[in-house]
Formats: sequence, C-alpha cells, structure tokens
Amino acid sequence: EVQLVESGGGLVQPGGSLRLSCAASGFILNNYEIHWVRQAPGKGPEWISYISNIGTTTYYADSVKGRFTVSRDDARNSVFLQMNSLRAEDTAVYYCVREHYDFWDVWGKGTTVTVSS
Amino acid sequence: DIVMTQSPDSLAVSLGERATINCKSSQSVLYSSNSKNYLAWYQQKPGQPPKLLIYWASTRESGVPGRFSGSGSGTHFTLTISSLQAEDVAVYYCQQYYSTPSTFGQGTKVEIK
Repeated sequence: EVQLVESGGGLVQPGGSLRLSCAASGFILNNYEIHWVRQAPGKGPEWISYISNIGTTTYYADSVKGRFTVSRDDARNSVFLQMNSLRAEDTAVYYCVREHYDFWDVWGKGTTVTVSS
Repeated sequence: DIVMTQSPDSLAVSLGERATINCKSSQSVLYSSNSKNYLAWYQQKPGQPPKLLIYWASTRESGVPGRFSGSGSGTHFTLTISSLQAEDVAVYYCQQYYSTPSTFGQGTKVEIK
C-alpha cells in the first residue's frame, strides 16, 4: 500500500524545536517531490515547504522561512522538517504530501504540533 | 500569491439531491503550454487528512465515485456532487498548484438537510 507516515510531533514551549519525519512505504520516495502542509485547528490547509525529488531545490512559505528546514534521506526513504524558534501560531497538524505530475495525490495522516508554555 | 475563494461557506442538501460548490482564483490557473488547469478538489472529514477527489480541474482520482465531477477553466471552477450521499458530509477545498505557494480555498462545509 502506498502511504506516508509522519512522526515527531508533540508539545513544545515557544522558542523550542522539533524535527518531524515523513516515512514513505509502497513507493520509492526519491522519485517524487514532497510538500509539507499544516492545518491549524478549525482552519484550512496551509502549504509551508517543498523539496524536490533529489533534494537540490527547496521552497518555504514566508511564515516559516528562516525557521524551518526541509531535507531528505533517500536511503531511509524519508523526508524531514526541522522546526526551530517555534511560535504559538505554529500549532497545527502537519502533513507530508506526495506530488505526482504536479498534482498532490498521497497525504499522510498527520502529526500534531502544539506550541504552548 | 493566488487567492482562492470558495462559495458558499456551507450548504445543506437533501439526500439524493445535487450539491454545487464554486471556486474562484484571483488569477488564471490555466497553463497555456499544455492547456491544463492546475486546480484540484479535496474532501476532508473530521480527524482525517484531505483526500484528493479531482485534479486538472476535471479528472477524477482513481476510486472516487462518479457522482463527483469538476468543471471550469481559467479562474472559475465548480465541484458538483450529483446525488448527495450520507458519506459525502465533509468540508471540501479547492487548491491551485499553478504557482508557489500553492493555495487553498477557505473550505465549504456540506451537510444533510
């Protein structure tokens, strides 16, 4: 079965850090570009980051630029999102999403990040 | 950034009746070189991730029931559920993937009347 599984979420204090992981199964991750999308409680999805299939190109939303870093380890069939200087407004469910010929076809179930003191 | 605006914010439809959701983009998402509209529709139920229903504005994803259809081009798009079923109660989002950042509409909540 083709799937993405996120992990690494949790409760963190403002200013803290978390590293999210996105593990792929049922397909070879390095054939695909991956996006990170978050969804705050009661809100719509918000795109936050992109990494190309070979990891040479990355993009970030203005809301996270300079604080978040996306990377990938194809040997582990995984993508990572390092989140630093976390703020209360970063509280959300974080999803990794596979891009397939431009459209996005596979979403993970998400991992919850709560930033609170 | 391209702004996606959906209407209505919510609608209540009787079982078996048609539900229509509109989506407008602040600029065209039609790519002239391939004549494709970079527009997708998703369904999201509580506690679940968004599920892809439609891509390229009108192509149904594998496994999606035939009662779901997408139409439109350029800046105006429509998702139609031809005969609403109980399992279709959800929030529906449109998304443009024409340019970075990809952006989503605010969502339309579909309920049973």
